[in-house]
Amino acid sequence: DGGITQSPKYLFRKEGQNVTLSCEQNLNHDAMYWYRQDPGQGLRLIYYSQIVNDFQKGDIAEGYSVSREKKESFPLTVTSAQKNPTAFYLCASSITWGETALHFGNGTRLTVT
Amino acid sequence: GQQLNQSPQSMFIQEGEDVSMNCTSSSIFNTWLWYKQDPGEGPVLLIALYKAGELTSNGRLTAQFGITRKDSFLNISASIPSDVGIYFCAGHAGGTSYGKLTFGQGTILTVHP
Repeated sequence: DGGITQSPKYLFRKEGQNVTLSCEQNLNHDAMYWYRQDPGQGLRLIYYSQIVNDFQKGDIAEGYSVSREKKESFPLTVTSAQKNPTAFYLCASSITWGETALHFGNGTRLTVT
Repeated sequence: GQQLNQSPQSMFIQEGEDVSMNCTSSSIFNTWLWYKQDPGEGPVLLIALYKAGELTSNGRLTAQFGITRKDSFLNISASIPSDVGIYFCAGHAGGTSYGKLTFGQGTILTVHP
């Protein structure tokens, strides 16, 4: 079955440590996205990639970094510069950039103490 | 930036009741989408609307793209316990926001058997 796999499901880190969240898709989609979800808020866009080897900042990119070296993979690094990193992180993909129907992974819940 | 106001924030209903929720925006959107998120999972696309005035059904779900292009609603008829979850609206404005979705804050639905 095609889909988006995020790992791990739960992640715990100490403050000041960088942490990388994995996102892999086997849908052959060109575009990939990272969203952050906080209770009572809509999803907020962190970074997006229209195509392999390209990525752009979203609305809340500060304290995060990404890479897109392979079409299937779009890892997100939460750096120590992110002031409030504890959140639920969702990876998504779409067939092409501009296609509005996103397919989401099942998320990674990051807790930083 | 663009914002979507989704209401109500939460609903507690009895099994069998109909449900209605809506999203409004201060700006025009070219596409409206409705997603459902089960606890601890990623959102899943329910309905996509591409034309002002469009009314689309998916089983017990019906959604409409408002004539003004600034609102959309989702109705669920004869609710069942598995309808529990968070429902998000999302809009796509096009133009300089091409490819980016704006999400509402979500409606938390609880269905009592």
